[in-house]
Formats: sequence, C-alpha cells, structure tokens
Amino acid sequence: LAKTTQPISMDSYEGQEVNITCSHNNIATNDYITWYQQFPSQGPRFIIQGYKTKVTNEVASLFIPADRKSSTLSLPRVSLSDTAVYYCLVRGADGLTFGKGTHLIIQP
Amino acid sequence: KAGVTQTPRYLIKTRGQQVTLSCSPISGHRSVSWYQQTPGQGLQFLFEYFSETQRNKGNFPGRFSGRQFSNSRSEMNVSTLELGDSALYLCASSLGLGTGENTQYFGPGTRLTVL
Repeated sequence: LAKTTQPISMDSYEGQEVNITCSHNNIATNDYITWYQQFPSQGPRFIIQGYKTKVTNEVASLFIPADRKSSTLSLPRVSLSDTAVYYCLVRGADGLTFGKGTHLIIQP
Repeated sequence: KAGVTQTPRYLIKTRGQQVTLSCSPISGHRSVSWYQQTPGQGLQFLFEYFSETQRNKGNFPGRFSGRQFSNSRSEMNVSTLELGDSALYLCASSLGLGTGENTQYFGPGTRLTVL
C-alpha cells in the first residue's frame, strides 16, 4: 500500500492560516489526493480533492507540486471548530491508504 | 439525498463470537469500502467492493470478510472475534472505484466492543 506521512499534531490560533503537508510515495498516475476532516466518534468528512497544481473551494485550498509526492492542505482563518483530525488519502498500486492523521488544535 | 447509513451503530460482543455489520451506500453509488479505526492506528483499509466484486483488500486476516449485494448494499463479517477487533468500523461509498475523481463519502460508523 502507498505510504503517507503527516505531522502527528499541530497547534494554531483563531484567525490564522494553517498548512498541513502529507507526503505520499507510490501514488498511481491517475489517482487523486483527497483530504478529510474527522471529529471524535464521527465518520470522516470530505474537505477537498485534487490531482495537480492548486485546487480551491469554499473551505480550503490544496497545493500539489509537479512530482505529486506531497500535498499541502491550507485552511484560511481557522476557528475553534476546526479543531479535528485531518487525513490525506491516496490510492496506491495495491489499494487505498489513509495517513495517520494530523491532530489540529486551534486555540483562542 | 440520504447519506451513507450503517447499522448497528453500537455493538458489544464477546471473544470467539462473530459479527455482521451492514452498510447502505448513497443512492446511485456502486462502490463501497470498509475501514477499521483504532486509537493509535488511524484508519486502516479493509476492502473495497464494486458491482458485487471485491476489487481491493487490505492487510487483514481471513477472519475479516465482506460482500456486496446487487443493490450495492454491503456487509462485513468478522469471525472468531478477538479483543483487538474492538474498533470503529467505517463504511464509505462512491460512484465508482476508490479515489480518482470518485469522492468517498463516509457513514457514521459502527462502534464494536469485544469483551
């Protein structure tokens, strides 16, 4: 399975921009990179998905370099409710892999 | 449109028993994937089904099995339960296989406790 690596935890403050990077090797040529947010005892919620360069939606941006071996989720102006675990997902040659997740803690 | 539903939401079993969990995907979705989530391990991929066929399987013992029906609903079964099988089991559905442009949408999960 494709291996992904994310920081275990990050801290920030309300109103700041937060960037979380995921490293992924063995990503298949046609596969997309997807990020999810998860709150305790709930299923992961889709945030954003991309293939290359930059993707932006109403809640986040996703930056993917040309070699696609990593991706960076950018959350603008975070609030306390953004405290959660964030996962990146890629499909490797043998199936689907989530990273260990990044526990983002937002402080007032 | 209704989201992914999983039943039951909570389950308590004892070692050696078996359990069956159910997942109903979003209407129109043909792919269903199953994941196990335990503290410290994050989300681990179990298997993926598309059109009633298992297309991918994660690194889990044969005690874990699944199937998909013609209406895309899926079940997973765990036999001879062990204490380490206590986890949140998540189901996700998508229009087609895995990622690519087919975004996976997750259900609320089934919390299994093995005593």
